Amino acid sequence: EPEVTQTPSHQVTQMGQEVILRCVPISNHLYFYWYRQILGQKVEFLVSFYNNEISEKSEIFDDQFSVERPDGSNFTLKIRSTKLEDSAMYFCASSQDSGSSYGYTFGSGTRLTVV
Amino acid sequence: AQSVTQLGSHVSVSEGALVLLRCNYSSSVPPYLFWYVQYPNQGLQLLLKYTSAATLVKGINGFEAEFKKSETSFHLTKPSAHMSDAAEYFCAVTSTTGRRALTFGSGTRLQVQP
Repeated sequence: EPEVTQTPSHQVTQMGQEVILRCVPISNHLYFYWYRQILGQKVEFLVSFYNNEISEKSEIFDDQFSVERPDGSNFTLKIRSTKLEDSAMYFCASSQDSGSSYGYTFGSGTRLTVV
Repeated sequence: AQSVTQLGSHVSVSEGALVLLRCNYSSSVPPYLFWYVQYPNQGLQLLLKYTSAATLVKGINGFEAEFKKSETSFHLTKPSAHMSDAAEYFCAVTSTTGRRALTFGSGTRLQVQP
């Protein structure tokens, strides 16, 4: 079963530092997403990415966040200057089509702790 | 705009009993609907999805859900709970047009008692 792989599984960072969360989507998928889940809260959409550009983003995804697909396999989420409230589980997901009739496949997540 | 409401943040059933997790959605266009399961310290695993084909959808691990447009519901059921079903379950919606990102419900934690 193809998987979405996320690294690292846990990251602790100091407030104000930059972090990069990494994801390897499923190889034949074309649409990529980042979601986050603050502890005890619902999973929230951050951004979607297709054809090397952002196709959709939420109000959470402000100028502190950026995404990149630096090569043919990785998809990254960068937080430029982390805040305490950025502490959350971050999930990467990918899908074959935009209509999601095939469903989204999620990675196991990166737990980010900002101290 | 889309939204999902999951009634009951915690549900407890006995092993062997029926599992019923409720999900109601709001969408101005025909929706795609999903149920995901999250085991402790793991990611989100797709249980099943409705994408405008059959209204009764069968998923993995014996779960199924029925899309009822008149009730705007997509409740998840399993005839007989197993201890391994204990997890958090999320209902999610996306649209067939326009915004494609998933909107999740708040989740329901299922506890299975021996």
